[in-house]
Amino acid sequence: NAGVTQTPKFRILKIGQSMTLQCTQDMNHNYMYWYRQDPGMGLKLIYYSVGAGITDKGEVPNGYNVSRSTTEDFPLRLELAAPSQTSVYFCASSSRTHSGNTIYFGEGSWLTVV
Amino acid sequence: EDKVVQSPLSLVVHEGDTVTLNCSYEVTNFRSLLWYKQEKKAPTFLFMLTSSGIEKKSGRLSSILDKKELFSILNITATQTGDSAVYLCAVDGGQPKLAFGTGTRLTIIP
Repeated sequence: NAGVTQTPKFRILKIGQSMTLQCTQDMNHNYMYWYRQDPGMGLKLIYYSVGAGITDKGEVPNGYNVSRSTTEDFPLRLELAAPSQTSVYFCASSSRTHSGNTIYFGEGSWLTVV
Repeated sequence: EDKVVQSPLSLVVHEGDTVTLNCSYEVTNFRSLLWYKQEKKAPTFLFMLTSSGIEKKSGRLSSILDKKELFSILNITATQTGDSAVYLCAVDGGQPKLAFGTGTRLTIIP
């Protein structure tokens, strides 16, 4: 029952460092997403992908990069980390069927930039 | 651009009370409306309402969709402390991405 798996769960970064948040799903979903959620705020879409080899910007893509080389994996790269990127990051996946498009979330990655 | 507005922003009630959470939306090509519950971690899926299913019920939780007036409500009866969470409403407008509201923070006092 893995679903959407994110790593790491917690990370502290220094300003200017880079890192990659890993995300993998085992539900054979074609859609994948990265959201960030600041304390007490709603979800903001960073990037999404409709299939392997295809990625699109969401609302807040600056400072991030993604790739989708396989259906299962959708890593999020932070280049030159800034304090404004301190947040919780959620990876999610879905598959559009005749019933609709239900998104399932990973457990989140808590990132602090100091 | 698809838009989802939830109200109230926060709600504090006593255990055993009944609560109603609201979600209104504007979307060009409505497919479905989804409710999620978010405790301290990731949002978890509660309900999906579509044109062909405008009412859903699961235990003490129920939800209706009014496609004419473009809103949905989530009702929780006989609330328990475990119902304390942020409840998120999202709309599927036919695109890969859903439009999420900012959520209603529900606090249940024992």
